[in-house]
Amino acid sequence: DAGVTQSPTHLIKTRGQQVTLRCSPKSGHDTVSWYQQALGQGPQFIFQYYEEEERQRGNFPDRFSGHQFPNYSSELNVNALLLGDSALYLCASSAQGEQYFGPGTRLTVT
Amino acid sequence: GQQVMQIPQYQHVQEGEDFTTYCNSSTTLSNIQWYKQRPGGHPVFLIQLVKSGEVKKQKRLTFQFGEAKKNSSLHITATQTTDVGTYFCAGQYAGKSTFGDGTTLTVKP
Repeated sequence: DAGVTQSPTHLIKTRGQQVTLRCSPKSGHDTVSWYQQALGQGPQFIFQYYEEEERQRGNFPDRFSGHQFPNYSSELNVNALLLGDSALYLCASSAQGEQYFGPGTRLTVT
Repeated sequence: GQQVMQIPQYQHVQEGEDFTTYCNSSTTLSNIQWYKQRPGGHPVFLIQLVKSGEVKKQKRLTFQFGEAKKNSSLHITATQTTDVGTYFCAGQYAGKSTFGDGTTLTVKP
């Protein structure tokens, strides 16, 4: 049984560009959450998707958007990248509260 | 907004010593979860506490949830080198998950 997978593993972008990160949840999980983790800090909640709808959102600007597909996989899109968007982006899937995290995508904005 | 504070930020112990990390929320929580993240890795779920005053044990790890559901603690008895990593609490409130900034544990053999 594959756990949560994310792609790509690493990504380097330039300020102002746009990026799309992808996540496949653990088998049987229908809820996907996205987090941003800066170095030395805890993960910060970006948003959560369930049944292809954004169910909850954290304190992130509209430059951060997402999507969930019928197979429960999800994408995180970030527009107009800023240097401060450099971080580890984590996807977590859940079914009954317990969250399983993927390995993350390390985004570097130069 | 909801805030979750964790102390201490760092803890260095000799192998065999005990370790405790504390988590405090500004709001009453629905539940609290604990995670462990190894260097270069991703958070791994340890446990979820839901009930006021709940205590759960996993081998050498003991987790507590306060009576007011605003604080929690993780205690490790007789630490081992395999316990190294950062321990995070995550408070669940209004459908959102707020993580503390973690306590990083190092264990000297």
